[in-house]
Order: sequence, then structure tokens, then C-alpha cells
Amino acid sequence: EVQLVESGGGLIQPGGSLRLSCAASGFTISNNYMNWVRQAPGKGLEWVSIIYRGGSRYNADSVKGRFTISRDSSKNTLFLQMNSLRAEDTAVYYCARGYGDKGYFDLWGRGTLVTVSS
Amino acid sequence: DIQMTQSPSTLSASVGDRVTITCRASQSISSWLAWYQQKPGKAPQLLIYKASTLESGVPSRFSGSGSGTEFTLTISSLQPDDFATYYCQQYDSYSTFGQGTKVEIK
Repeated sequence: EVQLVESGGGLIQPGGSLRLSCAASGFTISNNYMNWVRQAPGKGLEWVSIIYRGGSRYNADSVKGRFTISRDSSKNTLFLQMNSLRAEDTAVYYCARGYGDKGYFDLWGRGTLVTVSS
Repeated sequence: DIQMTQSPSTLSASVGDRVTITCRASQSISSWLAWYQQKPGKAPQLLIYKASTLESGVPSRFSGSGSGTEFTLTISSLQPDDFATYYCQQYDSYSTFGQGTKVEIK
């Protein structure tokens, strides 16, 4: 079955670090664009980060310098390392596969909740 | 950065109504636009990509049009399962989502 399963969310204090994982099955993540998207409680979707097939990666301005996307091809798993966390980073974090010529998001995980609070 | 503006933010409609949601990009994105449906507590689901191509398995009452900076999502006859929030997304340059349109029962 083709699917994405996120893990690693939880409650973390401001300034802390957390690493999210996204395990893929049924396809190879290194053959696709892979993304992280977040959604704060009651708010809309916000794109966070992308890693391209070739390994190039980019972040949204809101997380630049704090978050790092990576992948482990041997485990077919995507990661998001989140440092210097702030209250405004509280959200459900989804991983999503980018498909096609430019990478529309055709496959999403169920998400993992990150709560940044003291 | 490319900004996406959706309208309206909320839409009240009845079963059977024709519904149109508009999305505007701050610069031309050609046809690199997708539409998603999201229900409470669930991940978004892809409806349309490349502005007008229906994703496999999506009912034909959904359609998309537009290019450049102006795009629309139309539901030809609203069904009970369609009450949800809809997002547009540009994927021409990285990605940006619109703020969402909540379709409510009138």
C-alpha cells in the first residue's frame, strides 16, 4: 500500500528541538519531491520545506535557519529537524509527496501534532 | 514569494447548488495550480492539478479552470459530502496555499 506515516510529535518547551519522521511505503521517496506542510490549530495550510530528487532543499521564510529537511533513502524515510522552537510552530505537521512535472501533492500522511508550550 | 488569495473565505450553500471558489496568484504561475479538499481532523485530499486536471477517483462534479493569475474551482451540484474546506495551492515556485474557503450548509 502506498502511504506516508508521520511520527515524532509531542509537547516541547520553547527553544527546544524535535525531529519528525515520515515513513514511506509503496514508493521510493528519493524519486519524488517530498514536503512538509503544517497547520496551526484552526488555521490554514502552510508549506514548510521541500527536498528535491537531487537532494536540493528549501524552507519557507518562517522556519529558515531553524528547520532542516532530510531523508534516509535506505529507510525510505523523510525527516524534519526542528530547532529553536517557538509557540507559533505549534501545528499538525504533514508530510506530502510531490508528484508530476512540478510536484503537486498527491499523497499525504495523517499528520503529527507538535505543541510548543511551557 | 508568490501569494495566493482565495475568495470567499466562507460560503453558505445548499445541496444541489452550483458553487464557485476563486483563487488569485500575485504573479503568473502558468497552470501550476492545485485544489484540495480538507475535512475536520483529516489530511487534505487532492482534487485537481495543473489547474483543470481531475485527480483519479474525484467526482466529475468538480472542475477547475484558469491560467496565469486567475483560477476557479466549481462544484456543479453540491452534495452532502462536499461540505468541507477547500484550498488552492501554487506549485510553480516552491509552494504556497490560499487561506482556504469553508463551504457550509445554508
